[in-house]
Amino acid sequence: EVQLVESGGGLVQTGRSLRLSCTASGFTFGDYAMSWVRQAPGKGLEWVAFIRNKTYGGTTEYAASVKGRFTISRDDSKSIAYLQMNSLKTEDTAVYYCTREDIEVVPGAVSGQYYFYYYMDVWGKGTTVTVSS
Amino acid sequence: EIVMTQSPAMLSVSPGERATLSCRASQSVSSNLAWYQQKPGQAPRLLIYGASARASGIPARFSGSGSGTDFTLTISSLQSEDFAVYYCQQYHNWPPFSFGQGTRLEIK
Repeated sequence: EVQLVESGGGLVQTGRSLRLSCTASGFTFGDYAMSWVRQAPGKGLEWVAFIRNKTYGGTTEYAASVKGRFTISRDDSKSIAYLQMNSLKTEDTAVYYCTREDIEVVPGAVSGQYYFYYYMDVWGKGTTVTVSS
Repeated sequence: EIVMTQSPAMLSVSPGERATLSCRASQSVSSNLAWYQQKPGQAPRLLIYGASARASGIPARFSGSGSGTDFTLTISSLQSEDFAVYYCQQYHNWPPFSFGQGTRLEIK
């Protein structure tokens, strides 16, 4: 069974740090990009961070709201994705979901050019982060 | 940044009837659009990707259509387990991946 299990959430004071983990099972973790998505209490979904798999460089992308404070990383040998969250703010309070990204690769008009389209096909149950002042 | 707008914010439909949910993008996202279902206390679940392809295990009563800027999720005959919040999300021009604000589907 394909599964993602988040851990590491909790109550933390503003300005402090927290590291979330996402442990994957049931699929070859290294073949997939991964994202973190959060949901503040009573609100909608907000994408937070993304990491490509090693085939595509393992590079990262961030939402403007967390850039410079959060870092996404991965350990393919352990099938774990991480989200290091520093300088936490009260507005970071949310349920944090780990997601697996499936990919569609589309050839471009120019030879050797490709476009990469990722969508979130598997979600974990989430871990709650509460930031208190 | 592409802004996704869903309508209506809330929809009341009787079991067995059809529900039609809309999603509009602020600029073209081609067919790079997904729909997710979220039930209370649960994680979202992928329903539709590529605007119209059903994800694995999703019943045929769920269908997606549209391209460019206007998209529709249709649930042909509502079952009790379908009452939930539905989100659209574009993955055409990113970062950021952007979600709509959600449509809450309620029992009438």
